[in-house]
Amino acid sequence: DAGVTQSPTHLIKTRGQQVTLRCSPKSGHDTVSWYQQALGQGPQFIFQYYEEEERQRGNFPDRFSGHQFPNYSSELNVNALLLGDSALYLCASSLWAPAFYNEQFFGPGTRLTVL
Amino acid sequence: AQSVTQLDSQVPVFEEAPVELRCNYSSSVSVYLFWYVQYPNQGLQLLLKYLSGSTLVKGINGFEAEFNKSQTSFHLRKPSVHISDTAEYFCAVRKDSNYQLIWGAGTKLIIKP
Repeated sequence: DAGVTQSPTHLIKTRGQQVTLRCSPKSGHDTVSWYQQALGQGPQFIFQYYEEEERQRGNFPDRFSGHQFPNYSSELNVNALLLGDSALYLCASSLWAPAFYNEQFFGPGTRLTVL
Repeated sequence: AQSVTQLDSQVPVFEEAPVELRCNYSSSVSVYLFWYVQYPNQGLQLLLKYLSGSTLVKGINGFEAEFNKSQTSFHLRKPSVHISDTAEYFCAVRKDSNYQLIWGAGTKLIIKP
């Protein structure tokens, strides 16, 4: 079992550009959540996907969008990049059961630097 | 609004000494509490969780935590640390409204040889 995988590992972009990050969930998982972790801070929840639909969203602008594919993998897209978008972006997968607890498994993250 | 406070940004401790990492949360209806560890250049790994039942929770790598409802705390402890415990530790609580996790800012555990 490969666990949660993310690509790319690192990415450098300039302000105003667009970026796409990718995530493959742990085998058997159907739910993907995305988090932003700025330097020196804890993760901040961006959104969660299940059955190819956005189910929950944190306090992030519409520049942040996502997609989930039929094989449960997911993409995070960020448009019009700002310097403040520089962060580690973490993907987590789990089984869908929102009112109950299902452990989230995290990928190693994608380090995005915006210049 | 619910929140999590990790009282120390860094905790230096000698190898084989005991350690306590402190976490306080704001009160909420139901309390699901978590500790995660993040090793350098890696993702987050669940150390332990409190969902209900016994207030003393045992996790992986010899860590344990105690849920204290009256003090709204969930401190993490280990009786004897090793160099391999060098990492950042995050406390999190599950939000009542949407079941997502609210995270503390993290505590860096620095092991001195």
